Amino acid sequence: QVQLLESGGGVVQPGRSLRLSCAASGFTFSSHVMHWVRQAPGKGLEWVALISYDGSNKYYADSVKGRFTISRDNSKNTLYLQMNSLRGEDTALYYCARDREMASINHYFDYWGQGTLVTVSS
Amino acid sequence: DIVMTQSPDSLAVSLGERATINCKSSQSLLYSSNDKNYLTWYQQKPGQPPKLLIYWASTRESGVPDRFSGSGSGTDFTLTISSLQAEDVAVYYCQQYYTTPLTFGGGTKVEIK
Repeated sequence: QVQLLESGGGVVQPGRSLRLSCAASGFTFSSHVMHWVRQAPGKGLEWVALISYDGSNKYYADSVKGRFTISRDNSKNTLYLQMNSLRGEDTALYYCARDREMASINHYFDYWGQGTLVTVSS
Repeated sequence: DIVMTQSPDSLAVSLGERATINCKSSQSLLYSSNDKNYLTWYQQKPGQPPKLLIYWASTRESGVPDRFSGSGSGTDFTLTISSLQAEDVAVYYCQQYYTTPLTFGGGTKVEIK
């Protein structure tokens, strides 16, 4: 069965960095566009970034552009999010999510991980 | 960016009654070349990640009960729960995938009256 397992969250001071990972299993990881979506405590969902199935194309929300970098290692079935210059407003539960359609430009999500919590605080 | 606006923010419905959630986009989500609306609906229960319910505005995901239905086109969409069950208590989100950045509505909380 499809599983997405995020890790790497924690408490970090403003201005510092953190790298999140998402280990995928149960499907052909290299065939799917992957995403990071976040949810601030008690708030709604915010899309953060996507990466194409082969890693050649990446798109970001304006709120993280220039600070966050999405990447993937298809040999390890793992998705990453490098987060630099963190701010208080980045505090959220970070989910990785899979595009429902393989190698698609239609970006909606059929599987989500349980999320990893990032808290930015001094 | 496409702004997604949901209404109401919350609603309380009696068991077995109909629940209707609205979602309005700031521009059309209908792609003329394929006549498809790039709109999806998710359900999020407390402490859980979102679950895909509906895509292409009206196509039910496999395994989703048929009491959930999606409708609408262009800029106005609706999620209907025809007969509310206790397990449907959740927050519901719409999301557009017409273009990046992908954007979500603010969510609608559904409770039992």
